[in-house]
Amino acid sequence: DTGVSQDPRHKITKRGQNVTFRCDPISEHNRLYWYRQTLGQGPEFLTYFQNEAQLEKSRLLSDRFSAERPKGSFSTLEIQRTEQGDSAMYLCASSLTIQGQSPLHFGNGTRLTVT
Amino acid sequence: AQSVTQPDIHITVSEGASLELRCNYSYGATPYLFWYVQSPGQGLQLLLKYFSGDTLVQGIKGFEAEFKRSQSSFNLRKPSVHWSDAAEYFCAVGAGNDYKLSFGAGTTVTVRA
Repeated sequence: DTGVSQDPRHKITKRGQNVTFRCDPISEHNRLYWYRQTLGQGPEFLTYFQNEAQLEKSRLLSDRFSAERPKGSFSTLEIQRTEQGDSAMYLCASSLTIQGQSPLHFGNGTRLTVT
Repeated sequence: AQSVTQPDIHITVSEGASLELRCNYSYGATPYLFWYVQSPGQGLQLLLKYFSGDTLVQGIKGFEAEFKRSQSSFNLRKPSVHWSDAAEYFCAVGAGNDYKLSFGAGTTVTVRA
């Protein structure tokens, strides 16, 4: 178990640029989640995959955001035309869930700063 | 929809003293409850979880939490804190087959020598 891995750890970009983050979940985990965390707040749900299917997107996820999980393995989160309000920590988590609830295992996050 | 309130934004405690962090949830049925800890610049680490059964749950690092349905609470406790317990603590609630967790705003714990 190597844990959930996220890359990069930090990203500084100028407003209007596109950015892409990668998440590698724990290998046997079927569920993958993206959360966003702003300073002084708890994580907020963005989107969720069951294997390769994206099953829900939060209303926090505007049309500028897109997430993929090809082949049900790693996932990418892309933000187009970044805005200063996108500055946050983006957390990926995974779980092995057959039914009901199971704990989420989080990565160390990608901190995005939009200047 | 479920929600979580952590009434204390910041708590300072002396090393060796006991610690209790409060968590209140809102959900109509039996919730799934979690406590996570986050060190600066890091992701969240699971401390403990409650799904069903014994309402006193033991976790890692000497933490425990008690589910009280009548008070809609899931408070986290540690009998004797160590300097390494300084971090931010998040309570989270899940519900039924809803895959999303709702997190509280967190409580920052400072440990003084």
